[in-house]
Amino acid sequence: EDQVTQSPEALRLQEGESSSLNCSYTVSGLRGLFWYRQDPGKGPEFLFTLYSAGEEKEKERLKATLTKKESFLHITAPKPEDSATYLCAVGPPYSGAGSYQLTFGKGTKLSVIP
Amino acid sequence: ETGVTQTPRHLVMGMTNKKSLKCEQHLGHNAMYWYKQSAKKPLELMFVYSLEERVENNSVPSRFSPECPNSSHLFLHLHTLQPEDSALYLCASSQEDPDTQYFGPGTRLTVL
Repeated sequence: EDQVTQSPEALRLQEGESSSLNCSYTVSGLRGLFWYRQDPGKGPEFLFTLYSAGEEKEKERLKATLTKKESFLHITAPKPEDSATYLCAVGPPYSGAGSYQLTFGKGTKLSVIP
Repeated sequence: ETGVTQTPRHLVMGMTNKKSLKCEQHLGHNAMYWYKQSAKKPLELMFVYSLEERVENNSVPSRFSPECPNSSHLFLHLHTLQPEDSALYLCASSQEDPDTQYFGPGTRLTVL
């Protein structure tokens, strides 16, 4: 059974204070690792997909990296509008119906204080 | 309307009621999903429809009944729910490739 663990559960940062969120995973096979952002009262919003170890993706102040055991979401000089819950998920290799089954972590709630 | 919409946004129902959640996607996608999000738990996939056929059903109790009449609409019919079914129910859609899913805002369900 695939497992995803995100840490920390919650993180408070001062505006401009860079940090990283961790997503560690145990899978029998990996098609991709996905990061989503979820604001209160809203559905998750897709951020990145990473497919292979060593891959990196960037979007504004966010950079996601992937190793064979974990992924990091680095936040550089965060702003209050970056406050949200960040979700990580893994997807199995393509195999018909099972391909749709993403396994999510519980998320990291990030608060950026002005 | 753009993206994925869900109605109602909030729903309170008794254990003996029957209600339905509605989802509509305006993205031209052909796969649609129902997820359950409970406090302190990971997002759980309930059902998947691809090209209007159900392709995934994760051992969800029969008191939840999905319906996908076309590629743009998805319903979740609810009957004789339990208080532990109280949660945020999220709808999502994607192209046939499930790697990029677009979520709706969710329906906050409370079962009394």
